Amino acid sequence: EVQLIQSGTEVKNPGASVKISCKASGYNFGDYYIHWIQQAPGKGLEWMGLVDPEDGETRFAERFQGRVTITADTSSDTAYMELSTLTSEDTALYYCTKGSVVRGIIAPFDCWGQGTLITVSS
Amino acid sequence: SYELTQPPSVSVSPGQTASLTCSGEDLAKKYVCWYQQRPGQSPVLVIYHDNKRPSGIPERFSGSNSGNAATLTITGTQAMDEADYFCQAWDGGTSCVFGTGTKVTVL
Repeated sequence: EVQLIQSGTEVKNPGASVKISCKASGYNFGDYYIHWIQQAPGKGLEWMGLVDPEDGETRFAERFQGRVTITADTSSDTAYMELSTLTSEDTALYYCTKGSVVRGIIAPFDCWGQGTLITVSS
Repeated sequence: SYELTQPPSVSVSPGQTASLTCSGEDLAKKYVCWYQQRPGQSPVLVIYHDNKRPSGIPERFSGSNSGNAATLTITGTQAMDEADYFCQAWDGGTSCVFGTGTKVTVL
């Protein structure tokens, strides 16, 4: 069974950084891009960026460029998303999801993690 | 930047048909996916490549894409279909865009 299991809830102060993880299982981790999606409370879905686990190539949405780092470790089949200089507007649920086409960037997202809540508050 | 617009809400009676729209410039030139998100749950892919259903998705879900709008149709809507639905497409192959989302209420 294909699964993405994410790390737990984080509470951070404004200005801090946070790094969350997404552990994959049930498929060849290196073959499919991992994407990160933000969902603010009561709001819609917003794509943050992606990583190619095979070679570490990344792409980011303009809004998050320069503030987000996405990495992948093929030795542990785990992807990471680090967000810096946090503000209250970063309080949201963050999902990792995988593309459904081998080596395909433009692909439907066929499996989602359970989400990680990041709360930014002083 | 590219935008996808959806009506905020749609109400439907059990057993009836719900039609959800997703509007974007020249949307027919892009592949559209639809995701269902039940309350408190992660999104689930219900339609990809405009009109294809993933394994395990009921036949009552169908999709189309023409001109500037894509449509998700739920035929014979059931109470379990009550959820938020998001359309999604890729802009120029470099940026993923989600629609604003539609809340489907089954009355």
